[in-house]
Amino acid sequence: GAGVSQSPRYKVAKRGQDVALRCDPISGHVSLFWYQQALGQGPEFLTYFQNEAQLDKSGLPSDRFFAERPEGSVSTLKIQRTQQEDSAVYLCASSLVQGQSSYNSPLHFGNGTRLTVT
Amino acid sequence: SQQGEEDPQALSIQEGENATMNCSYKTSINNLQWYRQNSGRGLVHLILIRSNEREKHSGRLRVTLDTSKKSSSLLITASRAADTASYFCATRPRAGGTSYGKLTFGQGTILTVHP
Repeated sequence: GAGVSQSPRYKVAKRGQDVALRCDPISGHVSLFWYQQALGQGPEFLTYFQNEAQLDKSGLPSDRFFAERPEGSVSTLKIQRTQQEDSAVYLCASSLVQGQSSYNSPLHFGNGTRLTVT
Repeated sequence: SQQGEEDPQALSIQEGENATMNCSYKTSINNLQWYRQNSGRGLVHLILIRSNEREKHSGRLRVTLDTSKKSSSLLITASRAADTASYFCATRPRAGGTSYGKLTFGQGTILTVHP
């Protein structure tokens, strides 16, 4: 079946521009995560949704970062007034189950959006 | 900030040899997972070990967990060139609150298997 789909695959933005990154999770997956991965580093947690509810946004680096999942399916990560330090790969992941069962549920990742801010 | 530290940062071996990667973490966990990432791609889940388990096998993979030392190891036996990738450990915290969503990754080990 279809996996997690992210678009665009690559995005080049000039400093100060706003960008929107899209994530289509696996159909029926309740939980959705956004991670940021700098070159040569492991993924860093940004935010987590359970259905349409954003339960944890503790990893968002500044108020320029905003994520939404209004209908509990597709999610968008928006970065306003991009800065060079925002350059990274943004990974989306989804998981089928929720609540306590999610502890033992693996994450299914998309291939990411590589953002380059010039 | 990242939870785990992985060792070594890079590992280069010949096809057929075994590869061992280590992961250390800082806080109490519910489970520890290993993921693989090919260049330019997303992460793929390999194996999960719960905090009350000490060892787990899946095909050519063997994972151990020592909660007293807060460490885990991933062994890939009879490696193949296709195993070339980055490998990450990731931890899930103990139950409670909304932190269960937060899977925290280590820095990763870059494995190169030469044919």
